[in-house]
Amino acid sequence: DAKTTQPPSMDCAEGRAANLPCNHSTISGNEYVYWYRQIHSQGPQYIIHGLKNNETNEMASLIITEDRKSSTLILPHATLRDTAVYYCIVRVGYGNKLVFGAGTILRVKS
Amino acid sequence: EAQVTQNPRYLITVTGKKLTVTCSQNMNHEYMSWYRQDPGLGLRQIYYSMNVEVTDKGDVPEGYKVSRKEKRNFPLILESPSPNQTSLYFCASRIYGGTVNTEAFFGQGTRLTVV
Repeated sequence: DAKTTQPPSMDCAEGRAANLPCNHSTISGNEYVYWYRQIHSQGPQYIIHGLKNNETNEMASLIITEDRKSSTLILPHATLRDTAVYYCIVRVGYGNKLVFGAGTILRVKS
Repeated sequence: EAQVTQNPRYLITVTGKKLTVTCSQNMNHEYMSWYRQDPGLGLRQIYYSMNVEVTDKGDVPEGYKVSRKEKRNFPLILESPSPNQTSLYFCASRIYGGTVNTEAFFGQGTRLTVV
């Protein structure tokens, strides 16, 4: 599975959009981009995933560049409860495991 | 409600005393796995199971055992716990098969301390 690079931390004002970047320059054609988050020491929570089209669900939007070498997770109106570690993971859809990197610590501030 | 349930949530034990951490899911998922999370090392997979009676090692299997006798349960067994197994443990499950892209569901975690 391709390696991902994320900034170690980011701050965001409450109510504003949080844009979390992820680089995955070695991604291959059959690999998907997944985003999970972990609030404090709870179990990781699935957010969204995509292959090449932009995706949106009730939690977030995922924007994948045309060359698929990077992506951005967007939380449209961040709240204090969105403070968490966000993990960007690249893997084939039927791959066995999720490989978690260090992720990005997002701090939402009032 | 779809969920993965781990027990216990917290456990303090002594070196060498066998213990089992249970994991159960109610989503009829084929694939289940165990992770441990340590500061600076992130989440690492211990063991996984693709279906009943099918298990395999992950990245850090030493000192652990698992079994998958029923689809819903995937217990993690520490036959002789040691202090270096002090960690936060997570069980996860998801659908497995073909090119299906599915999300993984994680339990709430078990914080284990071995003294």
